[in-house]
Amino acid sequence: QVQLVESGGGVVQPGRSLRLSCAASGFTFSSYAMHWVRQAPGKGLEWVAVIWSDGNNKFYTDSVKGRLTISRDNSKNTLYLQMNTLRAEDTSVYYCARGVEVVRATAGWYFDLWGRGTLVTVSS
Amino acid sequence: NFMLTQPHSVSESPGKTVTISCTRSSGSIASNYVQWYHQRPGSAPTTVLYEDNQRPSGVPDRFSGSIDSSSNSASLTISGLKTEDEGDYYCQSSDTTNSGVFGGGTKLTVL
Repeated sequence: QVQLVESGGGVVQPGRSLRLSCAASGFTFSSYAMHWVRQAPGKGLEWVAVIWSDGNNKFYTDSVKGRLTISRDNSKNTLYLQMNTLRAEDTSVYYCARGVEVVRATAGWYFDLWGRGTLVTVSS
Repeated sequence: NFMLTQPHSVSESPGKTVTISCTRSSGSIASNYVQWYHQRPGSAPTTVLYEDNQRPSGVPDRFSGSIDSSSNSASLTISGLKTEDEGDYYCQSSDTTNSGVFGGGTKLTVL
């Protein structure tokens, strides 16, 4: 079964750390770029980070640079998000999503497979 | 980077047709493909259209998409509305492979 399953969410105090995982199954994980997308309570979707299939390229939205780190272990078919120095505004459901590159005049992404998400709550 | 602006909400009756717009703030809407995702409360998003107007397997042909360079916008049209179409719809595009951009979402009510 083709699926992504996130884990690792929970309640954490501001300034602390948390690591999210996303277990992939049913497809060749090492062939795809992977993304994290988050959604604050009652808000819209926000792209967070991408990691290339080989793990050599990583990019982040500005608000998380230097605090959140995306990584992957292709031998374990698992994507990670290390979250340090957490802030209240990081409170969200975090989704992992499989990325397919789409190219017209410029290149971009299409998210063709999503996990169910894991909730991170940053609160004292 | 650019922004994608959607109407906050739309509503229509069952069996009717509704169109949701997605306007790009800078750069050409035609420079990269637009995708549309549907999200029901408490659930993950699912794709209803990719590459402007392509439907993934299982999405009915009641869903269609287009782009309009004159208004620099994309549109999602749903015909023959059903109550199961309710939820939030998000457009998404990119201008590099270094990022992704989502619209703010549109809440569709079928009443």
